[in-house]
Amino acid sequence: GIQVEQSPPDLILQEGANSTLRCNFSDSVNNLQWFHQNPWGQLINLFYIPSGTKQNGRLSATTVATERYSLLYISSSQTTDSGVYFCAVEPYNTDKLIFGTGTRLQVFP
Amino acid sequence: GAGVSQSPSNKVTEKGKDVELRCDPISGHTALYWYRQSLGQGLEFLIYFQGNSAPDKSGLPSDRFSAERTGGSVSTLTIQRTQQEDSAVYLCASSLQGDGTDTQYFGPGTRLTVL
Repeated sequence: GIQVEQSPPDLILQEGANSTLRCNFSDSVNNLQWFHQNPWGQLINLFYIPSGTKQNGRLSATTVATERYSLLYISSSQTTDSGVYFCAVEPYNTDKLIFGTGTRLQVFP
Repeated sequence: GAGVSQSPSNKVTEKGKDVELRCDPISGHTALYWYRQSLGQGLEFLIYFQGNSAPDKSGLPSDRFSAERTGGSVSTLTIQRTQQEDSAVYLCASSLQGDGTDTQYFGPGTRLTVL
């Protein structure tokens, strides 16, 4: 089956710093989503981005489908950005998301 | 509008008992999904509904697990004869069409602890 790898596994930042999270996947996909899991366990949608670039405030994401990777950019990080960031892909001819192992982000004041 | 809701938020049960977990999807969403998140396995797919039909049950780990959806809305995940390895957070998600072209929205989860 498809493999989804995220890097780095852990990231520690000081407030105000920028960061880039990466998601590599091993086959073509129909759907790619980025999620933030907050400390209470809620999965919050960040982007639906099977290809192209999107921006939402301090967050932006780019997916290069032909090269099978996606990047999530966090600028001017805040303590509320702490949590685990997951990339999830939906392979063609399936109806399920396959999740990566996540990047745990800690932002300190 | 309201998001995906799940109940109960926490469930503690004894090994061997049956449990039922409930999911209320976003109104109008035809597709509904169950996933679970455990320490050892990460986030994994269990079952997908399109309307009341379940075309993909491939993630159900054993025949002790079953799910149904009625009226194209509420879904119930049932675990019979629970085992300690069933302890996990069970997450429900819904999407408008379920054809891979739209976003899956997740509920807050039910944390199941089997003693």
